[in-house]
Amino acid sequence: DTGVSQDPRHKITKRGQNVTFRCDPISEHNRLYWYRQTLGQGPEFLTYFQNEAQLEKSRLLSDRFSAERPKGSFSTLEIQRTEQGDSAMYLCASSSGDRNTEAFFGQGTRLTVV
Amino acid sequence: AQSVTQPDIHITVSEGASLELRCNYSYGATPYLFWYVQSPGQGLQLLLKYFSGDTLVQGIKGFEAEFKRSQSSFNLRKPSVHWSDAAEYFCAVLSGNTGKLIFGQGTTLQVKP
Repeated sequence: DTGVSQDPRHKITKRGQNVTFRCDPISEHNRLYWYRQTLGQGPEFLTYFQNEAQLEKSRLLSDRFSAERPKGSFSTLEIQRTEQGDSAMYLCASSSGDRNTEAFFGQGTRLTVV
Repeated sequence: AQSVTQPDIHITVSEGASLELRCNYSYGATPYLFWYVQSPGQGLQLLLKYFSGDTLVQGIKGFEAEFKRSQSSFNLRKPSVHWSDAAEYFCAVLSGNTGKLIFGQGTTLQVKP
């Protein structure tokens, strides 16, 4: 098992463009989370999947953001019409959901909107 | 509302000195607590966790943390800091049944030679 992987690691885009990030969780982990981390801050929860069902979304997740996990395995996070304020590190995490287990994080995707 | 506070934004210690990073939480029930470390441009690595039982928990890299319910604290400690410990440290509490984490804003540790 290679852990949680995210692609790309870095993305620079022009304001107004759409971007999509991918997260591959640890195999057999049924829970998947997306977080956003801005400079000097701790990660903030964006959304959560249990298998393919998106069960919770933060108010931080505006209408321009959409996340999917179509087959309960990998997940994508799309940002439409990017704004400079979207510049951040986007972190994905997965867990088995068993009691007393922790979430494992990927290395993140650093988005810069210019 | 659930929250985590890390009062120290930046801490500098000399290599070989002891370290304590503070974390205070606000949570109605018995908290599940975590400390993560993040090197520049990297994801988060779990140092240790507290779910129940012994209030002094041991983690990786020689770190330990003590849960004190009366003080709503979960401070991270290390007896002797190494230069490679320089990083950002985050305290977090598990929120609800979904497993999502609420993080503090982090403490940046700088280690002087």
